[in-house]
Amino acid sequence: AQSVAQPEDQVNVAEGNPLTVKCTYSVSGNPYLFWYVQYPNRGLQFLLKYITGDNLVKGSYGFEAEFNKSQTSFHLKKPSALVSDSALYFCAVSLYYGQNFVFGPGTRLSVLP
Amino acid sequence: NAGVTQTPKFQVLKTGQSMTLQCAQDMNHNSMYWYRQDPGMGLRLIYYSASEGTTDKGEVPNGYNVSRLNKREFSLRLESAAPSQTSVYFCASSQVSAGGPYEQYFGPGTRLTVT
Repeated sequence: AQSVAQPEDQVNVAEGNPLTVKCTYSVSGNPYLFWYVQYPNRGLQFLLKYITGDNLVKGSYGFEAEFNKSQTSFHLKKPSALVSDSALYFCAVSLYYGQNFVFGPGTRLSVLP
Repeated sequence: NAGVTQTPKFQVLKTGQSMTLQCAQDMNHNSMYWYRQDPGMGLRLIYYSASEGTTDKGEVPNGYNVSRLNKREFSLRLESAAPSQTSVYFCASSQVSAGGPYEQYFGPGTRLTVT
């Protein structure tokens, strides 16, 4: 069975500093990995995905994520955080032959001015 | 291009009442999904539909039924609402093809309270 862990409920970072939101996964097969962001009272919005190829994936709003197969991780990063990045972030995993996307519990990011 | 739309946005039900949540997408996606979001639990899949005419149970299907009316529409029905079904419900769609599953597009959500 697939599972996703986001070990931090909350991440606080000062504006202008780099940020990392952690994600680890467990699947039996090659994973497809996704990051989504949710702003208050809104649906989830897609940020980026890893399907195959280069382990460093670039996405929307200056975010990037690094796929590490040996550590089964897919951490979300941004070199310089903005206050407007404050939101709830979800990591998700899917397998091609299954249709299920399994989401992590979410990490709340607060960027302090 | 509206993306994924959901109705209603808010609903309050009494225990035992029934209702249907509506979802529609205009992106010609083949797969559609219903999730519920509860604090600290992330999103949990209720049902999904890989293609028109097919539906499958997700992680938490008990107390719900779904209908994939056509390629565009996927409805979620609560036959006899219970307080444990108080949650925010999200519909999503995605395209799944030989290249693998693509990202999901989410609707704005329905906030349901069962008293």
